[in-house]
Amino acid sequence: DAGVTQSPTHLIKTRGQQVTLRCSPKSGHDTVSWYQQALGQGPQFIFQYYEEEERQRGNFPDRFSGHQFPNYSSELNVNALLLGDSALYLCASSLAPGQGVISGNTIYFGEGSWLTVV
Amino acid sequence: GQNIDQPTEMTATEGAIVQINCTYQTSGFNGLFWYQQHAGEAPTFLSYNVLDGLEEKGRFSSFLSRSKGYSYLLLKELQMKDSASYLCAVRDLKGDNNDMRFGAGTRLTVKP
Repeated sequence: DAGVTQSPTHLIKTRGQQVTLRCSPKSGHDTVSWYQQALGQGPQFIFQYYEEEERQRGNFPDRFSGHQFPNYSSELNVNALLLGDSALYLCASSLAPGQGVISGNTIYFGEGSWLTVV
Repeated sequence: GQNIDQPTEMTATEGAIVQINCTYQTSGFNGLFWYQQHAGEAPTFLSYNVLDGLEEKGRFSSFLSRSKGYSYLLLKELQMKDSASYLCAVRDLKGDNNDMRFGAGTRLTVKP
């Protein structure tokens, strides 16, 4: 049973560049959420995708955008990178909203993509 | 919105018991979760509470009081490998909202 997979694992970008991060959800999951985790902080919610649409969004600028494909995989795009965008980007998958009531519809994280902006 | 507060750091001794507290404010509570995160790794799921009371899973237990907006994670028989950050997360009930918001985490150091 494949878990959540993310790529790339590590990458270094220059200020002003653009980056695309990729995620494949856990088998049986169709909802993907993206989080940004700065050093020493908890994960901050960026947005969530379900049925190929952005369903929820956290307090992040429009430079952060995403996409979900018919196979439920997802991409996170960040444009015009800033030094402050350096962080661990976590993808989490879960069942569709309203599903998994008994288990609380737990989200499961991938290993993350470490982004360094220089 | 949600405010989730937990202590920044805690230290405990191997074999002891430690309790990590979490308080939260939410407009529509729909579950509280605890995750463990070792340095440089992704968070892993530990426990889930939606009703008041204690949920026990081996050495780890989690308690919830919805009326007080309060939860704690109890770790018994501490082992060195329990040194990690412990994240409290809350799911809000807003229609089909399915996202979870996290606290900043409590970094636990277990000493011999």
